[in-house]
Amino acid sequence: EDQVTQSPEALRLQEGESSSLNCSYTVSGLRGLFWYRQDPGKGPEFLFTLYSAGEEKEKERLKATLTKKESFLHITAPKPEDSATYLCAVQPISSGSARQLTFGSGTQLTVLP
Amino acid sequence: DVKVTQSSRYLVKRTGEKVFLECVQDMDHENMFWYRQDPGLGLRLIYFSYDVKMKEKGDIPEGYSVSREKKERFSLILESASTNQTSMYLCASSAVGQGSYEQYFGPGTRLTVT
Repeated sequence: EDQVTQSPEALRLQEGESSSLNCSYTVSGLRGLFWYRQDPGKGPEFLFTLYSAGEEKEKERLKATLTKKESFLHITAPKPEDSATYLCAVQPISSGSARQLTFGSGTQLTVLP
Repeated sequence: DVKVTQSSRYLVKRTGEKVFLECVQDMDHENMFWYRQDPGLGLRLIYFSYDVKMKEKGDIPEGYSVSREKKERFSLILESASTNQTSMYLCASSAVGQGSYEQYFGPGTRLTVT
């Protein structure tokens, strides 16, 4: 069974204090790993897709990396507007024609001014 | 930009009522999905569709049904709403073809069943 575990569940940072969020996964074969951002009361917003170990993607203060067992979302010098829940999802090779995703429970990030 | 819209942001229904949640996407995506999101449980897939009139059960289909009569529209139906179906419901869509199949989400419908 495919599993995605995110840690920590919640993280509080001071503005400018860099940190990393972790996404550990267990799948029979990985087609892709996805990161989303979700603001309270809204739908998730797509951030990145990673396909293979060693791959990195960047967007503003966010950088996502991938190994064979986990992914990290690094946040450099965060600002209060980076506060959100960050979701990780995997797309197994075994997913059908619709390429469905399995999501983790998310990390709730709070950046204090 | 991909746009996914959902018929209601907030909905309050009584136990036993039939509830319809509608989702529309404007990007000609083949795949559409319904999830529910509950604190501590993350997003759980209820049903998905990979083509008009085609549907497949996700991880938690019990108590739900779906309809996809047009490519852009995917409806979630609660045949007889129960209090344990109080949740945030999210619709998503994705394209088929070369690439990553990332899903794009609507704003969500917060359903309360009393």
